Amino acid sequence: AQTVTQSQPEMSVQEAETVTLSCTYDTSESDYYLFWYKQPPSRQMILVIRQEAYKQQNATENRFSVNFQKAAKSFSLKISDSQLGDAAMYFCAYRSGNNAGNMLTFGGGTRLMVKP
Amino acid sequence: NAGVMQNPRHLVRRRGQEARLRCSPMKGHSHVYWYRQLPEEGLKFMVYLQKENIIDESGMPKERFSAEFPKEGPSILRIQQVVRGDSAAYFCASSLFHGQGSGQPQHFGDGTRLSIL
Repeated sequence: AQTVTQSQPEMSVQEAETVTLSCTYDTSESDYYLFWYKQPPSRQMILVIRQEAYKQQNATENRFSVNFQKAAKSFSLKISDSQLGDAAMYFCAYRSGNNAGNMLTFGGGTRLMVKP
Repeated sequence: NAGVMQNPRHLVRRRGQEARLRCSPMKGHSHVYWYRQLPEEGLKFMVYLQKENIIDESGMPKERFSAEFPKEGPSILRIQQVVRGDSAAYFCASSLFHGQGSGQPQHFGDGTRLSIL
């Protein structure tokens, strides 16, 4: 079974600064997808970014980018120019690339605080 | 708004009652997933359904919990004889397509917060 680990329960960043959230995972599969979801206090689950394991290029979405290290099974999220609205819980998630594994496996989350 | 719709947003039940949680997927989506989130934890997969079929229920407790996704109407997560430990946020997600090699993301509803008195 796959597992996802987020080793930082809480992180803090100054507004306009850059912060990196860590995520590692364990799998024996070679084909899979990785995601970062944001959950603000409203409890919505908002897709931030996704990465296909077969792609070597790191995904980027505006101020959000990932550092995908397949050999190390690491998938960190970098948030540049942090804004107050970035304050939320961030969840890393794994999804198998084959038909047998349809569900998302989530990490325990990292609470990000943004200081003005 | 064509997003995933869940209702009710909040549901309060007494121990022993039944809870019914509803989820309407995004327009055109035929794959529905239910997840449970306990306080201060990540989401845990419960069940995956397509229209009229349960595909994977490996995360759902064997007793008291059931799910359906009928041909017409929303998906329903049903919890019978609720207990205090069922208190959680229940999220529904839907995706457009799931096939080998498909990385279609799951889009989530706002969740139903279930409180058991």
